[in-house]
Amino acid sequence: DAGVIQSPRHEVTEMGQEVTLRCKPISGHNSLFWYRQTMMRGLELLIYFNNNVPIDDSGMPEDRFSAKMPNASFSTLKIQPSEPRDSAVYFCASRSSGQGEQPQHFGDGTRLSIL
Amino acid sequence: DQQVKQNSPSLSVQEGRISILNCDYTNSMFDYFLWYKKYPAEGPTFLISISSIKDKNEDGRFTVFLNKSAKHLSLHIVPSQPGDSAVYFCAAIGLEGSQGNLIFGKGTKLSVKP
Repeated sequence: DAGVIQSPRHEVTEMGQEVTLRCKPISGHNSLFWYRQTMMRGLELLIYFNNNVPIDDSGMPEDRFSAKMPNASFSTLKIQPSEPRDSAVYFCASRSSGQGEQPQHFGDGTRLSIL
Repeated sequence: DQQVKQNSPSLSVQEGRISILNCDYTNSMFDYFLWYKKYPAEGPTFLISISSIKDKNEDGRFTVFLNKSAKHLSLHIVPSQPGDSAVYFCAAIGLEGSQGNLIFGKGTKLSVKP
């Protein structure tokens, strides 16, 4: 079975540019999460969706960050304009809201470097 | 203010011995805990979980213990193998509960030496 698929795996761009990260959750999963990992703060939740609807975006750092989930099989995280402090690894995860607590399944992340 | 703390950034263990990874939390309302394992350049992989109504959960070489009164959980790996070398994250389900909102510790890097 395909896991969570993220693209690109690596992104290097200059500050001020728009960056779009993409995620395809596991088929049948109805919750999707975006995380950011940095050395200083570890893994932080940015936003999560349930049935394509954003539930909590309180982790989004500022208005430069936005996330969408137009359908059950695709989500994007956009940064515009990007800044060097946005450099981090961004993970997408999905889970099923089946019976009991279902674990989140993570993609392999996008390593973002803003020069 | 960290709600889930892993105070040991690294741990080194000899192959065949027991690895014990510790995790403390501050919020007594957390009711579900998970351990994830992460290799370099990969995403975290779910390892084992425990509900707050239990004090132990075992899966093969992996056992998680929960001490609610101390707000402490630990992951035991017996026997440790070189392939277990990875970063281990402890996570708790946030107050949103059924939405599966995880709060992670900063991780402990385990090195198992042959």
